[in-house]
Amino acid sequence: KNQVEQSPQSLIILEGKNCTLQCNYTVSPFSNLRWYKQDTGRGPVSLTIMTFSENTKSNGRYTATLDADTKQSSLHITASQLSDSASYICVVGHARFGAGTRLTVKP
Amino acid sequence: AAGVIQSPRHLIKEKRETATLKCYPIPRHDTVYWYQQGPGQDPQFLISFYEKMQSDKGSIPDRFSAQQFSDYHSELNMSSLELGDSALYFCASSPGQGANYGYTFGSGTRLTVV
Repeated sequence: KNQVEQSPQSLIILEGKNCTLQCNYTVSPFSNLRWYKQDTGRGPVSLTIMTFSENTKSNGRYTATLDADTKQSSLHITASQLSDSASYICVVGHARFGAGTRLTVKP
Repeated sequence: AAGVIQSPRHLIKEKRETATLKCYPIPRHDTVYWYQQGPGQDPQFLISFYEKMQSDKGSIPDRFSAQQFSDYHSELNMSSLELGDSALYFCASSPGQGANYGYTFGSGTRLTVV
């Protein structure tokens, strides 16, 4: 069983809309939790990084939250753009990857 | 800004051959991580190095070995290649191992074993 579970597996939204991606983990302890954006066949690109003591971190239109008590993190994307279409991966520590959420933004 | 450089970008090898993948971290980054991502799969952590010494080991097969050199670049050596080794191999670098250090991925090497 994967120690990092992401939901939904895939998501389709209209351009300009907001969305929230979820990440639940069972890894403990861990040093940090990262969210990455990965285009098909490309290397993941870092969006946010949070230590276990941080609750929220923003990077432009991306805002990540972390609840260490419930072991949940979310990535909120506001005012989505067509270029946001990609996989979004939650990584706990350096070795525990979620399966990602495939986001498609349609015009 | 300088990024993580991986070479080659693409590599085709036959079964039982060997392959060497190279990773050049961002300048002043002393930590390198290697990952394997099969088609439609999550990246799997293979191995990491900090200051030229192995710092963590993941699901790296015994047929693979890696090292980090004095200039901090790293090489992943793969022997007796199998069809199942076909994957995208990423490396990432970070300026240390602290919890606040983000790390940057390279564009990957796509290895195809035929």
